[in-house]
Amino acid sequence: GAVVSQHPSWVICKSGTSVKIECRSLDFQATTMFWYRQFPKQSLMLMATSNEGSKATYEQGVEKDKFLINHASLTLSTLTVTSAHPEDSSFYICSATRDTGTSGSYEQYFGPGTRLTVT
Amino acid sequence: AQSVAQPEDQVNVAEGNPLTVKCTYSVSGNPYLFWYVQYPNRGLQFLLKYITGDNLVKGSYGFEAEFNKSQTSFHLKKPSALVSDSALYFCAVRDITNDYKLSFGAGTTVTVRA
Repeated sequence: GAVVSQHPSWVICKSGTSVKIECRSLDFQATTMFWYRQFPKQSLMLMATSNEGSKATYEQGVEKDKFLINHASLTLSTLTVTSAHPEDSSFYICSATRDTGTSGSYEQYFGPGTRLTVT
Repeated sequence: AQSVAQPEDQVNVAEGNPLTVKCTYSVSGNPYLFWYVQYPNRGLQFLLKYITGDNLVKGSYGFEAEFNKSQTSFHLKKPSALVSDSALYFCAVRDITNDYKLSFGAGTTVTVRA
């Protein structure tokens, strides 16, 4: 159990276009979803925290108008990169948090990532 | 703020030798510590975690980690490394006061040579 999927796994788009990435928790309801960005051989940088039915909370320095996050249900969050440019090329990873029932024990499960290349 | 540090960018070992990947942490309160592994172009895979209890935590794929409160460390270990263990390893700490966010270390690239 506790599988998180991302779609697409790989996308190439032209500069100026928008790209939507989906993150789904397949067999559990996610309390919270997170979106990360990772540059080659670097650590994960948290972009935003997404709770179902409310606006996402963005980390400092992340443009909320450029990286639109919609958390429509307890199993789906989407990240839309608007007016993408080559510098937005990166590996985007989502994670979904599930309450395991033990006090304080929220597990975070990661998706396989989406490679975005903007030409 | 909670943080973890991975002092080594790279660790190289021969297959069959012990593998250690270092991690130190800085938290206010009780630490919730994790180790993840990432293979090229893949998401993160959970290896193990420390919440409370025994200082020696056993995880997936033969890995274990030792929580040392006095040294604020949480080093990942494997008694006998395999070539297939070659990957990028991340230590992380969870902030239970702030949406359970994870803060990741910079990562350590492990290369196991045959």
